[in-house]
Amino acid sequence: LAKTTQPISMDSYEGQEVNITCSHNNIATNDYITWYQQFPSQGPRFIIQGYKTKVTNEVASLFIPADRKSSTLSLPRVSLSDTAVYYCLVGGHNQGGKLIFGQGTELSVKP
Amino acid sequence: DVKVTQSSRYLVKRTGEKVFLECVQDMDHENMFWYRQDPGLGLRLIYFSYDVKMKEKGDIPEGYSVSREKKERFSLILESASTNQTSMYLCASSPGQDTYEQYFGPGTRLTVT
Repeated sequence: LAKTTQPISMDSYEGQEVNITCSHNNIATNDYITWYQQFPSQGPRFIIQGYKTKVTNEVASLFIPADRKSSTLSLPRVSLSDTAVYYCLVGGHNQGGKLIFGQGTELSVKP
Repeated sequence: DVKVTQSSRYLVKRTGEKVFLECVQDMDHENMFWYRQDPGLGLRLIYFSYDVKMKEKGDIPEGYSVSREKKERFSLILESASTNQTSMYLCASSPGQDTYEQYFGPGTRLTVT
């Protein structure tokens, strides 16, 4: 399972776009990139997953460059309720869905 | 919606006690997982199970055991609780081996005194 590196914390203001970048230099060919969100006193919640290029859903976008050694989670127009810890995970389907959570990025959205 | 429930939100036990943490999911998921979460250490996988009566060790299985007698229920057992097992325990489930979308329960905050 590839190791990931992401910023420990980030600050933003309401209405801004937030981009959280994750580095995964030793990503394997069959690895997918997955992002989770965790609010205080709750379990993590799946946000988005991708393999290459760009993936978008109703919550976020995930940008993955051609070399796949990094990825960027983009949150459009954040609100106070987006204050949470965001985890980047990398893993392959032959690992049986096993997830390795890193330290995550603590995003603080201010008014 | 998938629902994962855990038997208690808060639990206080004494050192040496045997502790059972129960987790139930209602979506017929194949996989179930137990994690613990500690400040500065993130989430760490304790045990997981791909099927009834099957279990595999995660990254930190020492001091824990698990039981999966029914598909919907996955129990975490602390045979003899110790103070270093004070933590937030999170259960999760997922539908198959080819997915990374895990559904988490609300967590149990266990304090061992």
